[in-house]
Amino acid sequence: DAKTTQPTSMDCAEGRAANLPCNHSTISGNEYVYWYRQIHSQGPQYIIHGLKNNETNEMASLIITEDRKSSTLILPHATLRDTAVYYCIVRATGGKLIFGQGTELSVKP
Amino acid sequence: GAVVSQHPSWVICKSGTSVKIECRSLDFQATTMFWYRQFPKQSLMLMATSNEGSKATYEQGVEKDKFLINHASLTLSTLTVTSAHPEDSSFYICSAATSRETQYFGPGTRLLVL
Repeated sequence: DAKTTQPTSMDCAEGRAANLPCNHSTISGNEYVYWYRQIHSQGPQYIIHGLKNNETNEMASLIITEDRKSSTLILPHATLRDTAVYYCIVRATGGKLIFGQGTELSVKP
Repeated sequence: GAVVSQHPSWVICKSGTSVKIECRSLDFQATTMFWYRQFPKQSLMLMATSNEGSKATYEQGVEKDKFLINHASLTLSTLTVTSAHPEDSSFYICSAATSRETQYFGPGTRLLVL
């Protein structure tokens, strides 16, 4: 499975959009990009995933570059409850979810 | 939908005893379940993958005789930490995969071995 690189931490003002970047330059054609988040002392929460097209659901939007070497998770209107560690993971069908260190997002009032 | 539960949410036990943790997919059938461990200020580490009706596949470095995994049905997997020691104290998290392979995680079980 391809490795990902994420910033260690980011801040965002409450009510603003939070844009979390992820680099996955060695991604293979059959690997999906998954995003999870982990709020302190809880199990990870699934957010969204995609292969090559941009995806949107009730939680977030996922923008994948055309060459698929990077992606951005967008939380359109961040709230204090979005403070968490966000993990970007690339995974092939049937593959494992291998967690890196993620990005610690702090949403501030 | 896609809710995964774990029981117990926390457990304290004496060194040398065994502890069983249950993981259930409440509203879907999960052919595959996974067990992770997380130490303070670290990321999740995959311990093993379990498929219903077959033996679990353990990651390198994880002792299969110490961490017994049973996946007897499509909605239940159990992790038994045998002869627990203080170094086994950790946050244990399970996940279950839907038919589309998206994994949903349980809330975790905090184990403290005294």
